[in-house]
Amino acid sequence: GAVVSQHPSRVICKSGTSVKIECRSLDFQATTMFWYRQFPKQSLMLMATSNEGSKATYEQGVEKDKFLINHASLTLSTLTVTSAHPEDSSFYICSARGGSGDPYEQYFGPGTRLTVT
Amino acid sequence: AQSVTQLGSHVSVSEGALVLLRCNYSSSVPPYLFWYVQYPNQGLQLLLKYTSAATLVKGINGFEAEFKKSETSFHLTKPSAHMSDAAEYFCAVAYGGATNKLIFGTGTLLAVQP
Repeated sequence: GAVVSQHPSRVICKSGTSVKIECRSLDFQATTMFWYRQFPKQSLMLMATSNEGSKATYEQGVEKDKFLINHASLTLSTLTVTSAHPEDSSFYICSARGGSGDPYEQYFGPGTRLTVT
Repeated sequence: AQSVTQLGSHVSVSEGALVLLRCNYSSSVPPYLFWYVQYPNQGLQLLLKYTSAATLVKGINGFEAEFKKSETSFHLTKPSAHMSDAAEYFCAVAYGGATNKLIFGTGTLLAVQP
């Protein structure tokens, strides 16, 4: 149980285009989802927290107009990187919390490797 | 404010040797602590967690960690390393009340030599 999927696993896009990444909780309802960014050989940095049906809460320094997060249902959250640039290239990981699991535990997706050329 | 420090960005052990990965936390309230493992180009997998119950926590794959309040530590150990243990390990602390955000340490890359 508590499986989280991400799609796509890898994406390459051209500078200036937008990319959408999906995060799904497959076997539980995720009341809260988190989006992280990880640069090579570095730790995970929390970008934003989203609760189903409400606006995402962004961490300090994260551009909300550039990284659009939508949590329209209890099983799906999306991250859209708008007008992507090479510096946005990174590994994006989502996590989800909810269901009958531990309230402090987050279940992580496999990540999405974004490369902007 | 909560924070996590992982001493040693790289740790190398021989197969069969003891694994010890260090994690110290800073928290003004009782912490919830986690160890995650990450294999290349993959997400994070929970190894074990401390949520104020037993101070010695056993996890998957033979790993365990001991919560020591006096030392503000939550070190991860495994008696005998296996080649498949080679990965990146992250210690994390939960904070934020209802939001329960995780703060991650900088990670420790474990190499296992044959």
